Amino acid sequence: GDSVIQMQGQVTLSENDFLFINCTYSTTGYPTLFWYVQYSGEGPQLLLQVTTANNKGSSRGFEATYDKGTTSFHLQKTSVQEIDSAVYYCAMGSGGSNAKLTFGKGTKLSVKS
Amino acid sequence: NSKVIQTPRYLVKGQGQKAKMRCIPEKGHPVVFWYQQNKNNEFKFLINFQNQEVLQQIDMTEKRFSAECPSNSPCSLEIQSSEAGDSALYLCASSDRGLYAEQFFGPGTRLTVL
Repeated sequence: GDSVIQMQGQVTLSENDFLFINCTYSTTGYPTLFWYVQYSGEGPQLLLQVTTANNKGSSRGFEATYDKGTTSFHLQKTSVQEIDSAVYYCAMGSGGSNAKLTFGKGTKLSVKS
Repeated sequence: NSKVIQTPRYLVKGQGQKAKMRCIPEKGHPVVFWYQQNKNNEFKFLINFQNQEVLQQIDMTEKRFSAECPSNSPCSLEIQSSEAGDSALYLCASSDRGLYAEQFFGPGTRLTVL
């Protein structure tokens, strides 16, 4: 079945540090890949989305490239800020526009000023 | 920002009690999803609808879970006989059924079963 792997449960950085969160996926279908961000007390919000292999998604300084060869969709940001502190989820949809999302376990990012 | 509305935000029930939560999807979004997010932040897909029709659902534990999306009324998810293990954040999401449709999530209903 479909799966999404995020190995980093928690990441602690200082402001202006570089962020890199690993995400790999497995599916027999044609995936659409997402990064969602969840702030405390809220539902997940879409951060970025990529539907085509080898394309890059970007939003609010965050970037991720859908690498079909390595089945990866790592999230990165050059310079994090305290406001970026949240839980980040890699997610995959496959099987069409009505298909459920498969989420990774999430990475809690804490950015210290 | 998402315009999915979920009520109530918090729900406290005793074991064996019914628990019902509601969701109003974004206007014009025909597809609705329910997910359960447990205390370890893990997501579990429960069911999805297109308009009033069920598209896909998991084998909801011992059939204690039921859901519907009636026409012109909020969607709902109900647990017939709550158990402690049902304590979780229940998230509703909607999408506009575009080819690679983003799912917009509500703030969730936090269920605590005592």
